[in-house]
Amino acid sequence: NAGVTQTPKFQVLKTGQSMTLQCAQDMNHEYMSWYRQDPGMGLRLIHYSVGAGITDQGEVPNGYNVSRSTTEDFPLRLLSAAPSQTSVYFCASSYTTRTDSPLHFGNGTRLTVT
Amino acid sequence: AQKITQTQPGMFVQEKEAVTLDCTYDTSDQSYGLFWYKQPSSGEMIFLIYQGSYDEQNATEGRYSLNFQKARKSANLVISASQLGDSAMYFCAMREGRTGTASKLTFGTGTRLQVTL
Repeated sequence: NAGVTQTPKFQVLKTGQSMTLQCAQDMNHEYMSWYRQDPGMGLRLIHYSVGAGITDQGEVPNGYNVSRSTTEDFPLRLLSAAPSQTSVYFCASSYTTRTDSPLHFGNGTRLTVT
Repeated sequence: AQKITQTQPGMFVQEKEAVTLDCTYDTSDQSYGLFWYKQPSSGEMIFLIYQGSYDEQNATEGRYSLNFQKARKSANLVISASQLGDSAMYFCAMREGRTGTASKLTFGTGTRLQVTL
């Protein structure tokens, strides 16, 4: 059981470049989300999805796009990378959107924008 | 206002001692869930323990327990008999259950725990 799989683990981009962070889960989870982690700021929600075809913005959505065409996949797209997007990115999913449903995390992607 | 507040950026505890990591939360929902996660230096996020807003008893999972004081809106994590492997960053998080909105998980800024010999 792979759980939540994120790729790549590391990425370096130049300012203005675009890229997609991949996230896949094999647990038939309804809810998927993307967070960024920056020192001293905890984890901040970028975008989330409550099912295939349904996405919504989180706390810090600017500069990022998402789509959810299947239950399993939830890619995060950086449209035009900026140094402020240097961060560690986590994909996380849960079985339901109920308040008792914990998030399961991928191992993270460390992104550096120069 | 911050939904989750962790006021201790860093804590030290001696091996085999107990330690309490503080967490306060802010919500107007009646139904919500509180979670603690551990992040070791390797970076992964590990789910430790859950407490529901309607649970009358404090949650326990092995050496982890959650001291839930609903009136004070606090959900402190207690680690008993600390081990060197407990050295990590610990995050408190809340999932609110307001009807009609998606139930997002909001995190605090974390507490870095260092276990010493």
